[in-house]
Amino acid sequence: KNEVEQSPQNLTAQEGEFITINCSYSVGISALHWLQQHPGGGIVSLFMLSSGKKKHGRLIATINIQEKHSSLHITASHPRDSAVYICADGGSQGNLIFGKGTKLSVKP
Amino acid sequence: EAGVTQFPSHSVIEKGQTVTLRCDPISGHDNLYWYRRVMGKEIKFLLHFVKESKQDESGMPNNRFLAERTGGTYSTLKVQPAELEDSGVYFCASSQDYSYQETQYFGPGTRLLVL
Repeated sequence: KNEVEQSPQNLTAQEGEFITINCSYSVGISALHWLQQHPGGGIVSLFMLSSGKKKHGRLIATINIQEKHSSLHITASHPRDSAVYICADGGSQGNLIFGKGTKLSVKP
Repeated sequence: EAGVTQFPSHSVIEKGQTVTLRCDPISGHDNLYWYRRVMGKEIKFLLHFVKESKQDESGMPNNRFLAERTGGTYSTLKVQPAELEDSGVYFCASSQDYSYQETQYFGPGTRLLVL
């Protein structure tokens, strides 16, 4: 059974800080997804990666297949980055196995 | 282009009643997924349609849940009769192709509360 574990569960940062959220999974994956959920809002797909690194604006996602580990980094964090960040294992058939999420709060 | 839409946004019902949730995927997306998040737990997969066919329904919790996708367009998820443990947020997502490398686009979710 594949389990997706995230850390930390909760994270509070000051505006401008560099943020890292970690994700570990227990079996080999097809693709790892990073998703963002704003309070009261829907879910937005941020990244999908199966190797290496991807960057979009201030967000960077990396994955280490050998170590079964992925990280999501946010540079120059801003209060509007406050959200729940979720990593999910994309199974071979497309259905996702989710971590519990990391609740990020960025203070001005 | 319109995103994935879900209706209703909120539903409060009593135990034993029936509720039907609706999801309209992005036009042209053959793949439609239902997920659920119950309080304090991670989001979990319920089922996957490819067009009008159920590709994978391994996540459906029991036979009180019935999903349909007539004509391969919108989908409904009916809970009958609803139980207290069915409370949570039900998300729908769609993608164009059937592949683990496809981005899934999520709807805003339906918040269901069973009293």
